[in-house]
Amino acid sequence: GNSVTQMEGPVTLSEEAFLTINCTYTATGYPSLFWYVQYPGEGLQLLLKATKADDKGSNKGFEATYRKETTSFHLEKGSVQVSDSAVYFCALSIQGAQKLVFGQGTRLTINP
Amino acid sequence: EAGVVQSPRYKIIEKKQPVAFWCNPISGHNTLYWYLQNLGQGPELLIRYENEEAVDDSQLPKDRFSAERLKGVDSTLKIQPAELGDSAVYLCASSQSGGVKAFFGQGTRLTVV
Repeated sequence: GNSVTQMEGPVTLSEEAFLTINCTYTATGYPSLFWYVQYPGEGLQLLLKATKADDKGSNKGFEATYRKETTSFHLEKGSVQVSDSAVYFCALSIQGAQKLVFGQGTRLTINP
Repeated sequence: EAGVVQSPRYKIIEKKQPVAFWCNPISGHNTLYWYLQNLGQGPELLIRYENEEAVDDSQLPKDRFSAERLKGVDSTLKIQPAELGDSAVYLCASSQSGGVKAFFGQGTRLTVV
C-alpha cells in the first residue's frame, strides 16, 4: 500500500538554526510528493511539491528533493524563524488517484 | 479570492446525537474532499467528489456517516449517531479537476461527550 513516515516530533530549535524534517514513503506507481504546513489556528497550506524524481520543491526558504533511490523527501531550511513554528505534514499522491496520503505530522517550535 | 469555507468551526455534542458539517469549496473547483484528522495524526480521506458524484467513498463508514453534494458546489457531511471516537477535526478541501494541489479549509473540530 501507500504510506508516509515522518520523523517524530516535537522538534524544538533556536532561531537561525538549520532544520531537517525527515520523510520517507512507500508507494505503488509514481507518486507526487508534498509538504503541507498548518500554522496555529489555520488550515493546511501547501508549502512545496515535487512531481518526479530529482525534482526540488522550494518555497519560503524551505526545500525538499524527491529522492527515488532512497524513497525520501526530507524538508530543509537553512535558518529558521519564530514564524516557522507550525505542524508540518509530508504527503504523497498517486497520479490519477487525487488522494493525498499524509504522514502523522511533525510539530516544530522555534524559540527566539 | 475566498478560500474553502467550513462551518461550524467548533461543535460539541452528546453521544448518539446527530451532527452535520458544511463546506463551500473554492469557486470553479469541481473536486471536493472530506478528510478526518485525529489528534496527533495526519488527515485521512473520507470521500472525494467530482462535481456531484462521489467517486471515492471507500473510507467512509457508511453505517453512521453520510455526505452529499447535490448541486456539485457546497457539501454536507453528516454523522448519525455520533460516538465518542468521532471526536476529531473534519477537513474539507477542493481542487481543480485533474489537479493534485488541494486547498484546505480551517476544519470543524468535533467533540463528542
